[in-house]
Amino acid sequence: EDQVTQSPEALRLQEGESSSLNCSYTVSGLRGLFWYRQDPGKGPEFLFTLYSAGEEKEKERLKATITKKESFLHITAPKPEDSATYLCARNSGNTPLVFGKGTRLSVIA
Amino acid sequence: DAGVTQSPTHLIKTRGQQVTLRCSPKSGHDTVSWYQQALGQGPQFIFQYYEEEERQRGNFPDRFSGHQFPNYSSELNVNALLLGDSALYLCASSLGADIQYFGAGTRLSVL
Repeated sequence: EDQVTQSPEALRLQEGESSSLNCSYTVSGLRGLFWYRQDPGKGPEFLFTLYSAGEEKEKERLKATITKKESFLHITAPKPEDSATYLCARNSGNTPLVFGKGTRLSVIA
Repeated sequence: DAGVTQSPTHLIKTRGQQVTLRCSPKSGHDTVSWYQQALGQGPQFIFQYYEEEERQRGNFPDRFSGHQFPNYSSELNVNALLLGDSALYLCASSLGADIQYFGAGTRLSVL
C-alpha cells in the first residue's frame, strides 16, 4: 500500500536554529511530491512540487530536496513566523494526493 | 483573483442530520477535490469532480456524496451524520491534474 510517513511528528527550534523535516514514501511511478504549510484552523498552503530525484526548490528560508525514497524540507535560520504544520503529499498516475500526518514546527524567539 | 472559497466557515449539527458544504474553485480551475482532516491528521481524500462527474473516490461510505455545477463550483453532502464525521472539510481546486490549491475549510462539529 502506498504510504507517506513524516518525521518527526513535532519539532521545537530556537530562532535561527536550522533543521530538516523528513518525508518518506513508498510508491511506484511517482508523479509528484508536494509540500504544504498549514496554520491552525486554516487550509494547506502550497509550497513546492518535486518531480524527480535530485531536484531542489527554494523559497526564502525553505529548501525542498528529493531522492528516490525520501524528501526533505530544510529550514535555515527559522523565525517564529515559520511555526506551522508542514504536510508532505504524493500522487502517482491518476491517483489522488496521499498526505502524511505532518510535522508540527514551533520556532521559539 | 479570489482563491478557493468555502462556506460556511463553521457548522454545528446533531447526529442523524444532513449537511451540505460548498466550494468555489480558483478562477480558471476545472477540477475540485474534497478532503476530510481530523485533528492531528493529514487530509484524507474523499472524492474528485471533473466535468460534473465524480472521477475518483476515496475510502468513504455512500453517506458522502457530491456534485459539481457547470461553473465548476461544487457541493459536498453528508447524510446521517455520525460523531466521527466531526472534522475540517477541505476543498481543493486545480486545472486538471496540476497543483491543488486549498480553501480555508469548513469546520463541522457533530454533537
